[in-house]
Amino acid sequence: SSELTQDPAVSVALGQTVRITCQGDSLRSYYASWYQQKPGQAPVLVIYGKNNRPSGIPDRFSGSSSGNTASLTITGAQAEDEADYYCNSRDSSGNHLGVVFGGGTKLTVL
Amino acid sequence: QLQLQESGPGLVKPSETLSLTCTVSGGSISSSSYYWGWIRQPPGKGLEWIGSIYYSGSTYYNPSLKSRVTISVDTSKNQFSLKLSSVTAADTAVYYCARHEDRTGISNWFDPWGQGTLVTVSS
Repeated sequence: SSELTQDPAVSVALGQTVRITCQGDSLRSYYASWYQQKPGQAPVLVIYGKNNRPSGIPDRFSGSSSGNTASLTITGAQAEDEADYYCNSRDSSGNHLGVVFGGGTKLTVL
Repeated sequence: QLQLQESGPGLVKPSETLSLTCTVSGGSISSSSYYWGWIRQPPGKGLEWIGSIYYSGSTYYNPSLKSRVTISVDTSKNQFSLKLSSVTAADTAVYYCARHEDRTGISNWFDPWGQGTLVTVSS
């Protein structure tokens, strides 16, 4: 199956902009979706499709894609954005269709 | 507002079968637009998709778990279930259920998620 690769950890100063990336062959064909997970909580969808935010997600979260890389950008990071972030996409390798998740990125807001 | 809730034993012995149920409220599991999925997260590790089911019973599974996984749906109870056989300590994880949207040519995503339930495999 295909894989999605994320940097294990990223940091950002309060109020600054940070980009979290996700790389994988399936991203050449499909968009990534992004999830925020805080300690002890279930993941929450923050971006899906080309660049769509579910209701209740602040507009400082945005998504983009180029080639085999998808990015989640937080413009003006807040203290409450400190969390783990996961990407996921379709897995279209081989003879099956399925789902693949990235390994996650721990975001620290300084 | 759609809500999902996992239920089942928190402790399973090695070699036995893990069984969990996800109850959906605030909406119908028979919606033609969605699949329903299971995802797990070992302590301190990342997310792993287990499999998903359509209300009609059509399923697709993670190839790495396919030989041990069965997902089923009970539309009359608005529930879907997970069975994972021959468990080992490596199957210890928080298990989540979630609504799974899969759009051809676009991608897929999970929203909302249940709160998760910790299943420990130990004798």
